[in-house]
Amino acid sequence: QSALTQPASVSGSPGQSITISCTGTSSDVGSYNLVSWYQHHPGKAPKFMIYEGNKRPSGVSNRFSGSKSGNTASLTISGLQAEDEADYYCCSYSGASTWVFGGGTKLTVL
Amino acid sequence: QVQVVQSGAEVRKPGASVKVSCKASGYTFSDYYIHWVRQAPGQGLEWMGWINLNSGGAHYAQKFQGWVSMTRDTSISTAYLELTSLKSDDTAVYSCARGGAFSGGRFSFYHFDFWGQGSLVTVSS
Repeated sequence: QSALTQPASVSGSPGQSITISCTGTSSDVGSYNLVSWYQHHPGKAPKFMIYEGNKRPSGVSNRFSGSKSGNTASLTISGLQAEDEADYYCCSYSGASTWVFGGGTKLTVL
Repeated sequence: QVQVVQSGAEVRKPGASVKVSCKASGYTFSDYYIHWVRQAPGQGLEWMGWINLNSGGAHYAQKFQGWVSMTRDTSISTAYLELTSLKSDDTAVYSCARGGAFSGGRFSFYHFDFWGQGSLVTVSS
């Protein structure tokens, strides 16, 4: 069970939009619309931002959106703000009651 | 409100065992599962497995089978992760997170909505 592939880092200026990709296989991302995304500020508990690919839990800004195409899921953050600077992880259900995370992406707000 | 609070940092020597706790409150404990996730220094998140808080049954990722044990005590709404035969590369932050329960052939949800603050386990001689 290999980790999902995410870019190690992305950056953007305040107000811009960025997209973080999350590439899996036909056994995980490609088979299920069950990708979730987590924002992680080091030293704090991860916060879940997106579930089932493109749904936002209550309280999460609509600047965060998710999508999927084939074996790749994506998280887009629009109107970047300084507080968005964090590590972001995707996670997919991978069948047989197992889950797999991505390697994480460090977002820097310039 | 839902809260998940974990035990504090631990230091162990190689070959030893450690048990991390995860106490939940603000909801009916047995209605959900608890998943365990670890993050080694400089690495990403790694899913370890889950425990059914109602039955006590657990399911582990392949690499953790045989040396990791997930248990719970419903009387105090606490889940436990026990790691045995520790090696230096087991040094990591271990976190618990609430997940959906399995019923009727599917999980009620497939994400992790509330997380503990993480417990650092350091394995060093």
